Amino acid sequence: EPEVTQTPSHQVTQMGQEVILRCVPISNHLYFYWYRQILGQKVEFLVSFYNNEISEKSEIFDDQFSVERPDGSNFTLKIRSTKLEDSAMYFCASSDDRDRVLRDTGELFFGEGSRLTVL
Amino acid sequence: DAKTTQPTSMDCAEGRAANLPCNHSTISGNEYVYWYRQIHSQGPQYIIHGLKNNETNEMASLIITEDRKSSTLILPHATLRDTAVYYCIVLKPSSNTGKLIFGQGTTLQVKP
Repeated sequence: EPEVTQTPSHQVTQMGQEVILRCVPISNHLYFYWYRQILGQKVEFLVSFYNNEISEKSEIFDDQFSVERPDGSNFTLKIRSTKLEDSAMYFCASSDDRDRVLRDTGELFFGEGSRLTVL
Repeated sequence: DAKTTQPTSMDCAEGRAANLPCNHSTISGNEYVYWYRQIHSQGPQYIIHGLKNNETNEMASLIITEDRKSSTLILPHATLRDTAVYYCIVLKPSSNTGKLIFGQGTTLQVKP
Protein backbone atom coordinates (compact mmCIF):
# COMPACT_ATOMS: atom_id res chain seq x y z
CA GLU A 1 0.00 0.00 0.00
CA PRO A 2 1.41 3.44 -0.90
CA GLU A 3 2.50 5.53 2.04
CA VAL A 4 3.92 8.87 3.00
CA THR A 5 7.53 8.62 4.12
CA GLN A 6 9.39 11.11 6.27
CA THR A 7 13.04 11.65 7.10
CA PRO A 8 14.70 11.92 9.48
CA SER A 9 12.71 10.03 12.06
CA HIS A 10 14.46 11.99 14.81
CA GLN A 11 16.64 15.07 14.66
CA VAL A 12 18.39 16.83 17.51
CA THR A 13 19.56 20.37 16.87
CA GLN A 14 20.85 23.39 18.70
CA MET A 15 18.70 26.46 19.13
CA GLY A 16 19.21 28.87 16.24
CA GLN A 17 20.15 26.21 13.74
CA GLU A 18 18.31 25.59 10.49
CA VAL A 19 16.45 22.34 10.09
CA ILE A 20 14.96 20.73 7.00
CA LEU A 21 12.43 17.96 7.38
CA ARG A 22 11.75 15.87 4.32
CA CYS A 23 8.70 14.06 3.09
CA VAL A 24 7.88 11.91 0.10
CA PRO A 25 4.10 12.10 -0.42
CA ILE A 26 2.07 9.41 -2.17
CA SER A 27 2.98 9.66 -5.83
CA ASN A 28 -0.32 10.64 -7.44
CA HIS A 29 -1.35 13.05 -4.71
CA LEU A 30 -1.71 16.74 -5.41
CA TYR A 31 -2.18 18.30 -1.97
CA PHE A 32 0.51 18.37 0.66
CA TYR A 33 0.46 19.37 4.33
CA TRP A 34 2.53 19.76 7.44
CA TYR A 35 1.14 19.30 10.94
CA ARG A 36 2.92 19.23 14.25
CA GLN A 37 2.29 17.80 17.69
CA ILE A 38 4.06 19.07 20.77
CA LEU A 39 4.45 16.27 23.31
CA GLY A 40 1.19 15.69 25.14
CA GLN A 41 -0.72 18.25 23.10
CA LYS A 42 -3.08 18.27 20.14
CA VAL A 43 -2.12 17.74 16.53
CA GLU A 44 -1.93 21.22 14.96
CA PHE A 45 -2.21 22.28 11.34
CA LEU A 46 0.76 24.23 9.99
CA VAL A 47 0.36 24.61 6.24
CA SER A 48 -1.26 23.23 3.12
CA PHE A 49 0.33 23.34 -0.33
CA TYR A 50 -1.16 22.86 -3.76
CA ASN A 51 -0.04 23.68 -7.28
CA ASN A 52 3.33 24.89 -6.02
CA GLU A 53 1.97 27.44 -3.63
CA ILE A 54 0.70 27.68 -0.08
CA SER A 55 -3.10 27.29 0.11
CA GLU A 56 -3.46 28.06 3.78
CA LYS A 57 -1.21 28.48 6.77
CA SER A 58 -1.78 28.76 10.48
CA GLU A 59 -0.56 31.41 12.90
CA ILE A 60 2.19 29.02 13.93
CA PHE A 61 3.63 29.08 10.41
CA ASP A 62 5.50 32.35 10.70
CA ASP A 63 8.44 33.71 8.72
CA GLN A 64 10.75 31.15 10.28
CA PHE A 65 8.95 28.38 8.42
CA SER A 66 8.94 27.65 4.72
CA VAL A 67 7.86 24.79 2.50
CA GLU A 68 9.09 23.68 -0.86
CA ARG A 69 8.51 21.01 -3.43
CA PRO A 70 11.96 21.00 -5.00
CA ASP A 71 11.27 18.18 -7.42
CA GLY A 72 8.44 15.87 -8.40
CA SER A 73 8.63 13.71 -5.32
CA ASN A 74 9.86 15.57 -2.23
CA PHE A 75 8.06 18.06 -0.02
CA THR A 76 10.16 19.83 2.60
CA LEU A 77 9.59 21.91 5.71
CA LYS A 78 12.38 24.29 6.66
CA ILE A 79 12.71 25.99 10.00
CA ARG A 80 15.21 28.80 9.56
CA SER A 81 16.30 29.42 13.13
CA THR A 82 14.95 26.86 15.55
CA LYS A 83 13.62 27.77 18.97
CA LEU A 84 13.11 25.55 21.99
CA GLU A 85 9.37 25.66 21.45
CA ASP A 86 9.76 24.15 17.99
CA SER A 87 10.48 20.80 19.64
CA ALA A 88 7.66 18.59 18.44
CA MET A 89 6.70 15.72 16.18
CA TYR A 90 6.18 17.00 12.65
CA PHE A 91 3.81 15.09 10.42
CA CYS A 92 3.66 15.37 6.67
CA ALA A 93 0.45 14.40 4.89
CA SER A 94 -0.89 14.26 1.37
CA SER A 95 -4.22 13.83 -0.36
CA ASP A 96 -5.49 13.40 -3.88
CA ASP A 97 -8.13 15.20 -5.83
CA ARG A 98 -10.29 12.20 -6.55
CA ASP A 99 -13.59 14.02 -6.14
CA ARG A 100 -13.39 17.11 -8.28
CA VAL A 101 -17.00 18.05 -7.62
CA LEU A 102 -16.79 18.14 -3.85
CA ARG A 103 -13.05 18.79 -3.67
CA ASP A 104 -13.08 16.14 -1.00
CA THR A 105 -9.78 16.86 0.64
CA GLY A 106 -10.74 15.62 4.07
CA GLU A 107 -9.03 12.25 3.68
CA LEU A 108 -5.39 12.86 4.41
CA PHE A 109 -2.63 10.26 4.48
CA PHE A 110 -0.09 10.97 7.19
CA GLY A 111 3.50 9.89 7.51
CA GLU A 112 5.00 8.46 10.68
CA GLY A 113 6.47 11.79 11.68
CA SER A 114 9.84 13.40 12.32
CA ARG A 115 10.65 14.12 15.92
CA LEU A 116 12.53 17.40 16.31
CA THR A 117 14.34 18.12 19.54
CA VAL A 118 15.78 21.59 19.95
CA LEU A 119 18.36 22.00 22.72
CA ASP B 1 -16.10 24.36 10.83
CA ALA B 2 -18.35 23.02 13.56
CA LYS B 3 -17.00 22.20 17.00
CA THR B 4 -17.11 18.62 18.29
CA THR B 5 -17.37 17.14 21.78
CA GLN B 6 -16.08 13.68 22.66
CA PRO B 7 -15.61 11.81 25.93
CA THR B 8 -12.04 11.97 27.16
CA SER B 9 -11.60 8.23 27.51
CA MET B 10 -13.32 4.88 27.12
CA ASP B 11 -12.53 1.26 27.77
CA CYS B 12 -13.60 -1.71 25.69
CA ALA B 13 -13.09 -5.44 26.07
CA GLU B 14 -11.18 -7.16 23.32
CA GLY B 15 -13.53 -8.74 20.79
CA ARG B 16 -16.44 -6.55 21.75
CA ALA B 17 -17.81 -3.62 19.79
CA ALA B 18 -16.40 -0.21 20.65
CA ASN B 19 -18.90 2.61 20.27
CA LEU B 20 -17.35 6.06 20.29
CA PRO B 21 -19.77 8.98 20.44
CA CYS B 22 -19.32 12.49 19.11
CA ASN B 23 -21.54 15.54 19.47
CA HIS B 24 -21.52 18.16 16.72
CA SER B 25 -24.70 20.09 17.40
CA THR B 26 -23.64 23.13 15.34
CA ILE B 27 -22.92 21.16 12.18
CA SER B 28 -24.20 22.77 9.01
CA GLY B 29 -25.80 21.08 6.04
CA ASN B 30 -22.73 20.75 3.86
CA GLU B 31 -20.27 19.71 6.56
CA TYR B 32 -18.99 16.17 6.73
CA VAL B 33 -18.09 14.13 9.80
CA TYR B 34 -14.62 12.59 9.63
CA TRP B 35 -12.99 10.15 12.03
CA TYR B 36 -9.26 9.73 12.44
CA ARG B 37 -7.22 7.86 14.99
CA GLN B 38 -3.69 8.16 16.30
CA ILE B 39 -1.94 5.12 17.67
CA HIS B 40 0.73 6.03 20.21
CA SER B 41 2.20 9.17 18.59
CA GLN B 42 2.18 7.70 15.11
CA GLY B 43 0.73 9.80 12.31
CA PRO B 44 -3.06 10.18 12.38
CA GLN B 45 -4.89 7.60 10.32
CA TYR B 46 -8.10 8.21 8.41
CA ILE B 47 -10.91 5.84 9.38
CA ILE B 48 -14.17 6.88 7.76
CA HIS B 49 -16.33 9.86 6.89
CA GLY B 50 -19.95 10.62 6.09
CA LEU B 51 -22.47 13.35 5.39
CA LYS B 52 -25.85 12.05 6.49
CA ASN B 53 -26.11 8.39 5.57
CA ASN B 54 -24.57 5.67 7.67
CA GLU B 55 -21.28 4.46 6.25
CA THR B 56 -19.29 1.26 6.60
CA ASN B 57 -15.86 0.25 5.44
CA GLU B 58 -13.35 -2.42 6.34
CA MET B 59 -12.30 -0.57 9.47
CA ALA B 60 -15.48 0.74 11.03
CA SER B 61 -19.06 1.90 10.74
CA LEU B 62 -20.28 5.44 11.14
CA ILE B 63 -23.79 6.09 12.37
CA ILE B 64 -25.02 9.68 11.99
CA THR B 65 -28.27 10.70 13.67
CA GLU B 66 -31.09 11.97 11.51
CA ASP B 67 -30.66 15.53 12.77
CA ARG B 68 -26.88 15.17 12.20
CA LYS B 69 -26.13 16.64 15.62
CA SER B 70 -24.23 13.56 16.75
CA SER B 71 -22.57 10.46 15.42
CA THR B 72 -21.09 7.19 16.65
CA LEU B 73 -18.04 5.40 15.35
CA ILE B 74 -18.33 1.66 15.76
CA LEU B 75 -15.39 -0.72 15.74
CA PRO B 76 -17.29 -4.01 15.52
CA HIS B 77 -14.70 -6.33 17.07
CA ALA B 78 -12.09 -4.29 18.89
CA THR B 79 -8.57 -5.67 19.14
CA LEU B 80 -5.66 -4.57 21.29
CA ARG B 81 -4.25 -2.81 18.21
CA ASP B 82 -7.28 -0.52 18.18
CA THR B 83 -6.03 1.15 21.37
CA ALA B 84 -5.58 4.74 20.20
CA VAL B 85 -6.87 8.29 20.41
CA TYR B 86 -9.93 8.71 18.17
CA TYR B 87 -10.75 12.10 16.72
CA CYS B 88 -14.09 13.25 15.39
CA ILE B 89 -13.68 16.18 13.00
CA VAL B 90 -16.29 18.17 11.14
CA LEU B 91 -15.36 20.00 7.99
CA LYS B 92 -16.67 21.44 4.77
CA PRO B 93 -14.60 19.86 2.00
CA SER B 94 -15.70 22.24 -0.73
CA SER B 95 -13.95 25.12 0.95
CA ASN B 96 -11.36 23.21 2.90
CA THR B 97 -7.69 23.27 2.16
CA GLY B 98 -6.90 20.16 4.18
CA LYS B 99 -6.87 21.98 7.47
CA LEU B 100 -8.09 19.43 9.99
CA ILE B 101 -8.84 20.77 13.46
CA PHE B 102 -7.93 18.05 15.94
CA GLY B 103 -9.43 18.22 19.40
CA GLN B 104 -8.33 16.13 22.36
CA GLY B 105 -10.21 13.12 21.03
CA THR B 106 -11.27 10.00 22.91
CA THR B 107 -8.57 7.71 24.23
CA LEU B 108 -9.85 4.19 23.66
CA GLN B 109 -8.21 1.49 25.73
CA VAL B 110 -8.96 -2.03 24.53
CA LYS B 111 -8.41 -4.50 27.33
CA PRO B 112 -7.79 -8.24 27.09
